[in-house]
Amino acid sequence: SQTIHQWPATLVQPVGSPLSLECTVEGTSNPNLYWYRQAAGRGLQLLFYSVGIGQISSEVPQNLSASRPQDRQFILSSKKLLLSDSGFYLCAWSWEGLYYEQYFGPGTRLTVT
Amino acid sequence: DQQVKQNSPSLSVQEGRISILNCDYTNSMFDYFLWYKKYPAEGPTFLISISSIKDKNEDGRFTVFLNKSAKHLSLHIVPSQPGDSAVYFCAASGNNAGNMLTFGGGTRLMVKP
Repeated sequence: SQTIHQWPATLVQPVGSPLSLECTVEGTSNPNLYWYRQAAGRGLQLLFYSVGIGQISSEVPQNLSASRPQDRQFILSSKKLLLSDSGFYLCAWSWEGLYYEQYFGPGTRLTVT
Repeated sequence: DQQVKQNSPSLSVQEGRISILNCDYTNSMFDYFLWYKKYPAEGPTFLISISSIKDKNEDGRFTVFLNKSAKHLSLHIVPSQPGDSAVYFCAASGNNAGNMLTFGGGTRLMVKP
């Protein structure tokens, strides 16, 4: 069976500090990987997606970046956090070639102070 | 431009009754429609989906109806249970790498015992 892990579960960071959130998937090969953000009281916004190692597509301009150094590892980063980066960050995966049925990780609650 | 909208931010239903959650979309190119259930501080869980070639899909207590002419879908939960209390997101997508999942803003369902 497939499992998706995200860490850390919660994070409190000061403005201007760097960020690194990690996501890994087990039990599948060459998954599509996604980063979403849910701001307080709002829906899910797609930030990045990746269909393969080193292939990253960005959906919205921001001071965040994503990388996929290994097949089942997806990292969300920032060099300098802004207050507006606070939110609930979700990693998701879908089967290779299938984009609509996505499975989500447990999420990371990020608070920028 | 919100392509997927859930106009009811919340819904309260008595246990045992039917819950009907609604969703409207604007993009006629969407091929797949999905419902996700989300508890606080957790990632969304895939619930049920429907292809644009169908108008109904049923899975146990959950049924999704699609009205393509009205660009409207709904999720019916019968009978509703207190454990169904959560935020429900509808989402829509085309099935290719350029068409990612687009989520609605969510509806909070509260099922009262």
